[in-house]
Amino acid sequence: AQSVTQLDSHVSVSEGTPVLLRCNYSSSYSPSLFWYVQHPNKGLQLLLKYTSAATLVKGINGFEAEFKKSETSFHLTKPSAHMSDAAEYFCVVSPNTGNQFYFGTGTSLTVIP
Amino acid sequence: NAGVMQNPRHLVRRRGQEARLRCSPMKGHSHVYWYRQLPEEGLKFMVYLQKENIIDESGMPKERFSAEFPKEGPSILRIQQVVRGDSAAYFCASSLTGEKLFFGSGTQLSVL
Repeated sequence: AQSVTQLDSHVSVSEGTPVLLRCNYSSSYSPSLFWYVQHPNKGLQLLLKYTSAATLVKGINGFEAEFKKSETSFHLTKPSAHMSDAAEYFCVVSPNTGNQFYFGTGTSLTVIP
Repeated sequence: NAGVMQNPRHLVRRRGQEARLRCSPMKGHSHVYWYRQLPEEGLKFMVYLQKENIIDESGMPKERFSAEFPKEGPSILRIQQVVRGDSAAYFCASSLTGEKLFFGSGTQLSVL
């Protein structure tokens, strides 16, 4: 069975400080993992994707995520938050069979000036 | 190459009416997914289609909801006899090979 758990529904950081959005997954197969961002009243945009190559994945806008198989985690990080990062972030797992995608419940990131 | 196009952007219906949501996938994409997002909730999978076939509809309510992706034309999500609980944002995503999803901007359905 596949599932995704985003451990924090809301995260608040000050501008210029690091961002950490946590994601744990379970998958019966070697999965692909994704982070998507959704700005208010917009569709989802792909931030980054892991597909069993390098465990540290770099994405757009300075975000990166590290795949840790032993911890079944795929946390999203950014060294320095910007006001424009305020959005909803979704962790997604795809088991690489059947072309199916499973979404976490999302983490709302607030950036305080 | 246009992205995933959804229309209408906003749709208002009265209880009991029908709602039709359209999704044109990216050019060349044959995989289409529909998701529903309720306020303060994540995306809930509804249905996965390939051209002329429903591959997985495990997230679709058993009644009133249907989806199609014909050989020609957009994918359609149809909701019959809408109720207030159907009010939500409905997102469509397409994929070339099933490797990653490209999302449309969504249709906000409001049921009065």
